[in-house]
Amino acid sequence: DGGITQSPKYLFRKEGQNVTLSCEQNLNHDAMYWYRQDPGQGLRLIYYSQIVNDFQKGDIAEGYSVSREKKESFPLTVTSAQKNPTAFYLCASSIRPNEKLFFGSGTQLSVL
Amino acid sequence: RKEVEQDPGPFNVPEGATVAFNCTYSNSASQSFFWYRQDCRKEPKLLMSVYSSGNEDGRFTAQLNRASQYISLLIRDSKLSDSATYLCVVYKSGNTPLVFGKGTRLSVIA
Repeated sequence: DGGITQSPKYLFRKEGQNVTLSCEQNLNHDAMYWYRQDPGQGLRLIYYSQIVNDFQKGDIAEGYSVSREKKESFPLTVTSAQKNPTAFYLCASSIRPNEKLFFGSGTQLSVL
Repeated sequence: RKEVEQDPGPFNVPEGATVAFNCTYSNSASQSFFWYRQDCRKEPKLLMSVYSSGNEDGRFTAQLNRASQYISLLIRDSKLSDSATYLCVVYKSGNTPLVFGKGTRLSVIA
């Protein structure tokens, strides 16, 4: 079945550690996105990519990094510079920027 | 004015009730509109796209009012399973990403 796979489902980070969240899609979508959601809050855009080897910062990119070396994959690294990383992270993809989004099941990141 | 605004609720309604949410958007050039449903700690799922002529899917009806720059979602005969947060999503133009509202929380009570 086609879809978006995020892993892991739960992730724990120690102080000063970088961690990477995986996002893979087999929908052949050009555009991919990373969102952060805090409890009781809406989705905030971290980074997005509309084509391989290109990506743009969203509203809250500081402390995060991404790469888009393959169409299917858009990993997100939460660096030690992100001082408040505890949140629910959602990856999404779409055929084009103006089309509906398909979401992965999310990764809950917590700080030890 | 925020790009996309929603009343956060919660809307607490009895089973069988009809409930409506509105969502206002600031950019008059916005082109595409969607309603998503999100359950607690789950990913958002597309409920319906919103077309200029309005659209209906079973108990759900979505409407677009370009003159007043808002979209609406009407849920008839509410079920307990409709309890969720409903997210309004707007696409402006060009290659800009979709913009999400913060969501409206609905609780349907037995």
